[in-house]
Amino acid sequence: GESVGLHLPTLSVQEGDNSIINCAYSNSASDYFIWYKQESGKGPQFIIDIRSNMDKRQGQRVTVLLNKTVKHLSLQIAATQPGDSAVYFCAEIPAGNKLTFGGGTRVLVKP
Amino acid sequence: DAMVIQNPRYQVTQFGKPVTLSCSQTLNHNVMYWYQQKSSQAPKLLFHYYDKDFNNEADTPDNFQSRRPNTSFCFLDIRSPGLGDAAMYLCATSRGDGQGADEQYFGPGTRLTVT
Repeated sequence: GESVGLHLPTLSVQEGDNSIINCAYSNSASDYFIWYKQESGKGPQFIIDIRSNMDKRQGQRVTVLLNKTVKHLSLQIAATQPGDSAVYFCAEIPAGNKLTFGGGTRVLVKP
Repeated sequence: DAMVIQNPRYQVTQFGKPVTLSCSQTLNHNVMYWYQQKSSQAPKLLFHYYDKDFNNEADTPDNFQSRRPNTSFCFLDIRSPGLGDAAMYLCATSRGDGQGADEQYFGPGTRLTVT
């Protein structure tokens, strides 16, 4: 059968609270970053992106923050809902290169 | 709706029995990718096609092959599946037109079980 994978970091959050998911990226030459949401049994789904010339971008209930000095990316989800329960992956795209996934974080929303 | 479609969603094969997974896209994207994803891990790129040009990742086992007969379809062939090949296989596409970042769009995946 399938080999056992690493345990994902898990964030448990109360429904209605805000969630913050963090990601450290590796390539200082990356100029584009994406957050993906992956629900159980489904493929990754695009949430929001940000270019390296920005430090903040807002979407619907989500905000991505980029700190290039420390190579850190975060995703903030406002008023977390049960449908937000999923694994979240950050990804970076260096100029002229392929997308590279970072480690995932599992978000569990408690009713 | 334009999308990435994978068939079947669930595939069971026997140890050593060749299996083919399929992917199709209606996005008319130049690039198609195959990823392997194991439990609690990030997707791992196996290879991709830029149009008809095949690009293999250095650590992809020879047991994995791919075909892209036309723009819309791409296949993943596993010649002799082992128990360690049980995983979710994800297909993705991207524009690959050199304009801006090349965001990838993922299909729902095929869950492969090896018995």
